[in-house]
Amino acid sequence: AQTVTQSQPEMSVQEAETVTLSCTYDTSESDYYLFWYKQPPSRQMILVIRQEAYKQQNATENRFSVNFQKAAKSFSLKISDSQLGDAAMYFCAYNAPLTGTASKLTFGTGTRLQVTL
Amino acid sequence: EAGVTQFPSHSVIEKGQTVTLRCDPISGHDNLYWYRRVMGKEIKFLLHFVKESKQDESGMPNNRFLAERTGGTYSTLKVQPAELEDSGVYFCASSQQYVSEAFFGQGTRLTVV
Repeated sequence: AQTVTQSQPEMSVQEAETVTLSCTYDTSESDYYLFWYKQPPSRQMILVIRQEAYKQQNATENRFSVNFQKAAKSFSLKISDSQLGDAAMYFCAYNAPLTGTASKLTFGTGTRLQVTL
Repeated sequence: EAGVTQFPSHSVIEKGQTVTLRCDPISGHDNLYWYRRVMGKEIKFLLHFVKESKQDESGMPNNRFLAERTGGTYSTLKVQPAELEDSGVYFCASSQQYVSEAFFGQGTRLTVV
């Protein structure tokens, strides 16, 4: 069974600084997707960034980037120039859909990120 | 475009009572998922609808949980009778056919006392 591990229950970063959230996973699949989702307090969970396992290039979305190490099964999220609005719960997730289908996500336990002035 | 909508946002019920959670997916999304997060733990999959059919219900904890998706539109998740361990946040998500990216609702926080 696939598992996702987030070993940092809480992290803190100063505004404008950079922070890295860790995620490791376990799977026997060769083709899969990895995601970082963000859930601000009392708001919807939204997708921050997505990585396809067959792509060697690390995904980036503005201030968010990932360090995807397929052999090590590691998928960390780097947030640059942190802003107060980045404060949220961050979930790492894994998905291995069968060809032509959609399927469930497997989540980690989450990392609560605080952003301080 | 409206996102995934869930209600109620909060529900407090007594042990033994019945509660029904509702999810309205994004229009046109065939896939609808229910997940649950118990305090401090990971978000766990409950079940997956493709249109009105249950594609995967391997995560449903027991037969006290009943999910339906009427006509392939909105979905309900009923817990009857509720137990203390059912407390948590219930998330609904939807996605287009064949697409892995899921859009989530705000969640329903269920507290069983």
